[in-house]
Formats: sequence, structure tokens, C-alpha cells
Amino acid sequence: QKEVEQNSGPLSVPEGAIASLNCTYSDRGSQSFFWYRQYSGKSPELIMFIYSNGDKEDGRFTAQLNKASQYVSLLIRDSQPSDSATYLCAVRDNYGQNFVFGPGTRLSVLP
Amino acid sequence: NAGVTQTPKFRILKIGQSMTLQCAQDMNHNYMYWYRQDPGMGLKLIYYSVGAGITDKGEVPNGYNVSRSTTEDFPLRLELAAPSQTSVYFCASSYSSSHNSPLHFGNGTRLTVT
Repeated sequence: QKEVEQNSGPLSVPEGAIASLNCTYSDRGSQSFFWYRQYSGKSPELIMFIYSNGDKEDGRFTAQLNKASQYVSLLIRDSQPSDSATYLCAVRDNYGQNFVFGPGTRLSVLP
Repeated sequence: NAGVTQTPKFRILKIGQSMTLQCAQDMNHNYMYWYRQDPGMGLKLIYYSVGAGITDKGEVPNGYNVSRSTTEDFPLRLELAAPSQTSVYFCASSYSSSHNSPLHFGNGTRLTVT
């Protein structure tokens, strides 16, 4: 069974710090990786996706992918209280049909 | 642009009742999905469809049925509701199977079975 693992948290960081969120996956054939943010009681919203090894930056967010280690991470620079949410890692399978989600990491940014 | 629309937003069912959760998208997406989210458990795939007339089971399909008669609509049917089906249900869509085609979510349906 394909699995996606994340630390459930909560991860607490002070305002202005860098938050680092990690995700590992079991299916070595997975091709693309997505980070979603979910506020309490709301639906997931896409932050960014990555499918090549290395780093991808979008504003304050950086996704990092290491396929050899089956590891993907999300860095949030200059964290703000509004970044407090649950962050979901999703992995798209090799056929491109299914997305498998991790349990999410709850992030709390303290003012 | 409405995106993915789910109805109803909330519903309370009694054990043994049936209902249909509606999902429609106006983005001409080929792929549609139903997930359920239990507290602290992430999203579990119930059913998905890669195009009109084609559906397939996901990780937790028992107790549910789907149909995909049009590209736009992907209703989820609950037969004989059970307390274990109390959850938040999300419908999502994706344009294609390509790497840069993410999931777009509806606002969810919160279902309670008592």
C-alpha cells in the first residue's frame, strides 16, 4: 500500500522564523508532489508542487525534493501567524491517476 | 468561475438512510475524486473517475457508489448510512494526469450519521 508520512505536530515556530515541514513517501515510482494548506473547517488549497529533484521557490515558500531518499519538504520563510494551519503533503502516483495524502502537519506560528 | 461546487454543505442522517452528495466542476477537468477526511487522519480516497463513464475504487469504497455520466458531475451515493460514515467529504478535480495538474477542491460536505 502506498504511504505518505508526515509528523503530525504541532510544530510551533515564532513569527519571522523559518518553518520546515517534512514528508516521506513509500512509492518509488511517484512522479509529482504537492503541498496543500488547510485552515480549520476549510478545504485544502494548493501552495505549490514539484516534480524535479532540487528546490523550487515561490515567494516565501520553497519545496525541496529528493527522489533518491523519497523525501519532500516545504520551507516557509518569515513565518506569519496567518500561516498557522495544517499542511498536507500529497503524492501523485506513477500513472498520474491517484493522489495519496499524508495525515498533515499542524503548524502554529506564535506572535 | 465557480470551480468545484459541492452540495449540501451540512447534512445529518439517521442510521440506514441514504443520500447523494453532489459535485460539479466547470473547469472541463477530466479527473474527479471523492475523499473523506476524519479528524487527524488526512484524506482517504473513496472513488475516482478519469472521464465520463469511467469510475474506479479508491482506498475506502465500501458503503459508497458513484457515477460519472457527464464530464461536469460526479455524485457520491451513500446507501444505508452508518455512524462510521460520519466525516467531511471533499470532491476534487484535476485537468489531466500530467505532473503539473494539481487537485482543485470543493468546499466540502460535513456529514453526521446518528
